[in-house]
Amino acid sequence: AQTVTQSQPEMSVQEAETVTLSCTYDTSENNYYLFWYKQPPSRQMILVIRQEAYKQQNATENRFSVNFQKAAKSFSLKISDSQLGDTAMYFCAFLGTSYGKLTFGQGTILTVHP
Amino acid sequence: DGGITQSPKYLFRKEGQNVTLSCEQNLNHDAMYWYRQDPGQGLRLIYYSQIVNDFQKGDIAEGYSVSREKKESFPLTVTSAQKNPTAFYLCASRTGRAAGELFFGEGSRLTVL
Repeated sequence: AQTVTQSQPEMSVQEAETVTLSCTYDTSENNYYLFWYKQPPSRQMILVIRQEAYKQQNATENRFSVNFQKAAKSFSLKISDSQLGDTAMYFCAFLGTSYGKLTFGQGTILTVHP
Repeated sequence: DGGITQSPKYLFRKEGQNVTLSCEQNLNHDAMYWYRQDPGQGLRLIYYSQIVNDFQKGDIAEGYSVSREKKESFPLTVTSAQKNPTAFYLCASRTGRAAGELFFGEGSRLTVL
């Protein structure tokens, strides 16, 4: 069974500062994919960043980057230069390639303060 | 425009009634998913389907049923056996390629009166 755990129910950060959201997962698969999704108050889910497990290099998308530690089964999201529009719920997700099952964590509510 | 359409956006039902939520995609995606979202519990997987005429139970399938007769359609029925059906339901789809991102509909809010 695959599980995804986000241990921070809520986080807050000042505008222009950096914040890191944590995610750990458990799986017996060797090949898989990891994602961070953002859900603003509109509730529309938006892909933030993805990481293939076989790639050692951490993924980066503009102000968003990940710290992927495969041995530790950890996949944290770093948001640099936080903006008010980053306020949202963030979900970590795991896609096992064997069965196509995509599992989400419990989510972290991030609030960016001016 | 390509996308995923969920309907209805808001639905009210009485206890003991079955209700079906519609999900249609025109992205030519192979895989489709249904998630339930409750406050503080994130997204929990109900059912998913990787090809037409085939689907698998997710983590909370009890009280729900699905069908996948067409590639573009994946309706979810919330049966009277579901003990706490009031929730926000999200449908999603992705390509068959392993790294394909999930595209989401706008969701359906079901309230049981």
